[in-house]
Amino acid sequence: AQSVTQLGSHVSVSEGALVLLRCNYSSSVPPYLFWYVQYPNQGLQLLLKYTTGATLVKGINGFEAEFKKSETSFHLTKPSAHMSDAAEYFCAVTNTGNQFYFGTGTSLTVIP
Amino acid sequence: GAGVSQSPRYKVAKRGQDVALRCDPISGHVSLFWYQQALGQGPEFLTYFQNEAQLDKSGLPSDRFFAERPEGSVSTLKIQRTQQEDSAVYLCASSLTSSNSYEQYFGPGTRLTVT
Repeated sequence: AQSVTQLGSHVSVSEGALVLLRCNYSSSVPPYLFWYVQYPNQGLQLLLKYTTGATLVKGINGFEAEFKKSETSFHLTKPSAHMSDAAEYFCAVTNTGNQFYFGTGTSLTVIP
Repeated sequence: GAGVSQSPRYKVAKRGQDVALRCDPISGHVSLFWYQQALGQGPEFLTYFQNEAQLDKSGLPSDRFFAERPEGSVSTLKIQRTQQEDSAVYLCASSLTSSNSYEQYFGPGTRLTVT
């Protein structure tokens, strides 16, 4: 069985500060990992994904994430928060491409 | 090109009514997924199609939920005899079937409120 845990349902950072959103997963086989962003009343938009290869992946809007197998983690970071980053962020895992398992989400607030 | 579209965007149903939610995937996308997103939660998998074949429906919460994709493009999620616990946002996503991609494109969702 697969699952995703996102620590911290709400995270607040100051504009310009580091953003760190945590994601831990469980999977019996090598997973494919994703981060999505959701703005109010909109669908999910893919930020970045890890499938194979380099464990540090870069996505849109300056976000990146590192797959750490030993820690079963895929934390999302951004060096400098922008007001437009305020949104809900979801981590997801799949190993078949047929069923995706999402975390419960982290709401990011950016304080001016 | 156009993204995934869903209609209606908002639906209010009285308990016991049947509803039908429509999803128009991106043209040419083989795979189509339905998710249920309760308030304050992440999306939960309902069902998956590859072309017109429903390959996985293990996430459908009860036999009141039914999905179809008869021509391999547009899909409809039908909920019979709606209950209050069915209130949620229903998300549709589509993807190309290509190895090592698994990239899904989501629609804006249909917010269902059962009163």
